[in-house]
Parts: sequence; C-alpha cells; structure tokens
Amino acid sequence: AQRVTQPEKLLSVFKGAPVELKCNYSYSGSPELFWYVQYSRQRLQLLLRHISRESIKGFTADLNKGETSFHLKKPFAQEEDSAMYYCALSTHSGSRLTFGEGTQLTVNP
Amino acid sequence: KAGVTQTPRYLIKTRGQQVTLSCSPISGHRSVSWYQQTPGQGLQFLFEYFSETQRNKGNFPGRFSGRQFSNSRSEMNVSTLELGDSALYLCASSLYGDSNQPQHFGDGTRLSIL
Repeated sequence: AQRVTQPEKLLSVFKGAPVELKCNYSYSGSPELFWYVQYSRQRLQLLLRHISRESIKGFTADLNKGETSFHLKKPFAQEEDSAMYYCALSTHSGSRLTFGEGTQLTVNP
Repeated sequence: KAGVTQTPRYLIKTRGQQVTLSCSPISGHRSVSWYQQTPGQGLQFLFEYFSETQRNKGNFPGRFSGRQFSNSRSEMNVSTLELGDSALYLCASSLYGDSNQPQHFGDGTRLSIL
C-alpha cells in the first residue's frame, strides 16, 4: 500500500528566508505527486503537481525517485505563504489521493 | 465556472441516525471523490464515482455508501452513525478522474455526532 509522510507538523520561518517542506512517499510503482494548500478559511486547492514541472507562487517541487521524495521549496518565503500544506500521491487509473498528515507553515514578519 | 458545492455545510446528528450529504461538481466534471478529514486520521479517501459507477473504494465500513447521478452530482450516505464519524467530509471533482488530473475540492460538510 502507498503511504505519504510529512515529518514536520509545524514549520516556522521568517519572511525572506528559504523554506522547504518535506514529503516522502512509499510506493513501488510510478506515482503522481501533488502539493495541495489550504489557506485560512479557504478550501483545499492544488498548488502544483510534479508532472507539470512548473513554479507556482514561487514554489517548486522535484520528484526524486531514488530518495522517494517530493519536497516543496521556495527561496524567499512571504507572509501570505502561511497555510497548511499537504503532499498527496495518486497511483490508480482513478483519482484516489493518499494524503500526508500536513505541515502548518507560518511565515513570521 | 462555479466551484464544487457541498450541502449542507453543517450537520448535527445523534448516534444511530443516518445522514446524506450532497456534492455538485464543477460543470463538465465527471469524477467525484469523497474524503473524510479528522484531526487524528487526517484526510482519508472514501470512494470515487465516475459515470454513475463506483470506481475506487477506501477502507471504510459498509455503513458508508454513495451514489452518482446522471448529471454527475453525488451523494454520500452514512447509516447507523457512530461518535467516531464526526468529521469534515470533503468532496472533490475532476474532469475524467485520471490520476494526473488535479482535483477541485468543496468547502466540506462538517458532521457532528452527539
């Protein structure tokens, strides 16, 4: 069975500092990896997916199959990045997502 | 386009009762998935419907069931409610439900069992 682990429940950084949210997964095949974000009082929404290889709001994530990781990075954190971040994995022909426990990011002024 | 709409937003029930939650996907989306979110277990997949057929199912007891209508709207039913069923139930839709497609989530229905 697949599993997603986000080792940090809470992460606090200062504005302008680099930030990295860790995500590790276990799955023997080739997964689809996503980062979802939930800002305060908003619904869960997609931030980025590995297949797109794009940068969204300054965030990037690289799939490392050797280390089975999909860490989310941003070189200069902003206060508006404060939110709950979920790493998620999909493996089926359907859209079933396996989520990590989430990391609450706080960017301090 | 309107987003995913879930009704009702809040529900209070007592043990032993049953409940039905509703989800209207984004127009044109044919796949609807349901998730349960609790502080202890996080986000857990319940089931997915595509073209009125259940395509995937998570590890939940048979008390949890669902269905999808021809207009892609979906309902989820929980029978014989237990205290542990208290949770936020999220619905998500995607175009065809392919594994690499993003899912669009609703605001959820918060169910409280007394």
